[in-house]
Amino acid sequence: DMKVTQMPRYLIKRMGENVLLECGQDMSHETMYWYRQDPGLGLQLIYISYDVDSNSEGDIPKGYRVSRKKREHFSLILDSAKTNQTSVYFCASSFVWGLSYEQYFGPGTRLTVL
Amino acid sequence: AQSVTQPDARVTVSEGASLQLRCKYSYFGTPYLFWYVQYPRQGLQLLLKYYPGDPVVQGVNGFEAEFSKSNSSFHLRKASVHWSDWAVYFCAVRTQVVGQLTFGRGTRLQVYA
Repeated sequence: DMKVTQMPRYLIKRMGENVLLECGQDMSHETMYWYRQDPGLGLQLIYISYDVDSNSEGDIPKGYRVSRKKREHFSLILDSAKTNQTSVYFCASSFVWGLSYEQYFGPGTRLTVL
Repeated sequence: AQSVTQPDARVTVSEGASLQLRCKYSYFGTPYLFWYVQYPRQGLQLLLKYYPGDPVVQGVNGFEAEFSKSNSSFHLRKASVHWSDWAVYFCAVRTQVVGQLTFGRGTRLQVYA
């Protein structure tokens, strides 16, 4: 069964704390993504990873970093979280070397920074 | 640069009525286009995709979309809406950057009895 998983699903942190969001996929996709979704703004790309240790900034990378040490796992790290990073975060994965950029999404992590 | 505009933030229809959700894109060249659906508290799921060819593409759950190059549009349609179609719908276009899609801001569909 093709699946993207995200942990945790819900997280509450205080401002200044570190945050680790984890994503896994079982489709052997080489490319993975982190997005954030805010009301009325749609999806904004934070980072894209084309394979292990091959990461590129997206549209809004400031305040975030990522880690990809295995093809099936992709982590999003917030060092010293800020209140404006309260959002829903989605991970996705895809094959891109071909015609299809079809992305498969995880269920999301709802992060609240107090 | 490529972009996607969904002009309707919210659409309300009665169950059984027909539906059209609008999407306008901006892209230099031949676009690859997608419609995704997001049910409450879930991630996005692919409804259908357009690769150059037949302008009308069929998706899941009775959805279809029609590509128009002259109008730069990729509108989503359904002949008869069901209450379970209550969701947010996103249109997306493949960008020039490898692997990236640009998403519209979404249209929230509300279905009433």
